[in-house]
Amino acid sequence: GNSVTQMEGPVTLSEEAFLTINCTYTATGYPSLFWYVQYPGEGLQLLLKATKADDKGSNKGFEATYRKETTSFHLEKGSVQVSDSAVYFCARAAYSGAGSYQLTFGKGTKLSVIP
Amino acid sequence: ETGVTQSPTHLIKTRGQQVTLRCSSQSGHNTVSWYQQALGQGPQFIFQYYREEENGRGNFPPRFSGLQFPNYSSELNVNALELDDSALYLCASSSDGKINGEQYFGPGTRLTVT
Repeated sequence: GNSVTQMEGPVTLSEEAFLTINCTYTATGYPSLFWYVQYPGEGLQLLLKATKADDKGSNKGFEATYRKETTSFHLEKGSVQVSDSAVYFCARAAYSGAGSYQLTFGKGTKLSVIP
Repeated sequence: ETGVTQSPTHLIKTRGQQVTLRCSSQSGHNTVSWYQQALGQGPQFIFQYYREEENGRGNFPPRFSGLQFPNYSSELNVNALELDDSALYLCASSSDGKINGEQYFGPGTRLTVT
């Protein structure tokens, strides 16, 4: 089936620390992969994406590389800020037919950054 | 360009009642997907509508139903509400023909069933 596993949280870091949130997916085909972020009380925002193996998605200092050999898409940021405190979701696309897709999400990892 | 909007923002219902949630898709998008996000969990796919027809369904019972209108807006209906239906309901829109599965989410409707 189509599933996504991401590291359990919560994760608490000091400002300017290095962040890694692990994500692995089941390898049925070559799905597009995504990281979404959810700030308190809000919906999901697309953070970055990668559509094929070895692609690197990046946005706002966050990066993730599509690793086919390890079926992983780990999220990294070199220096986190307090404003990065949120819940992060890894997701993979699954084809639904007629050119459309559904997303399968991990359970989310809550990040808290303290000054 | 208008983003995805949802109404209402919050809703409180009693067990056994029925509820209708609404979603307006982003301009130019003809596909709407609905997700249920229980507290502390990732969103779970309910179903998707494409050109007014259901196009894919997750593991949800038939009392979850939907509609899509000619302007591509959509409704999610839930009958015979149960306590476990309490969740954030997210709508996402996308455009067919895109091969990268990118979807844009609305802010959600928080449903509480008492």
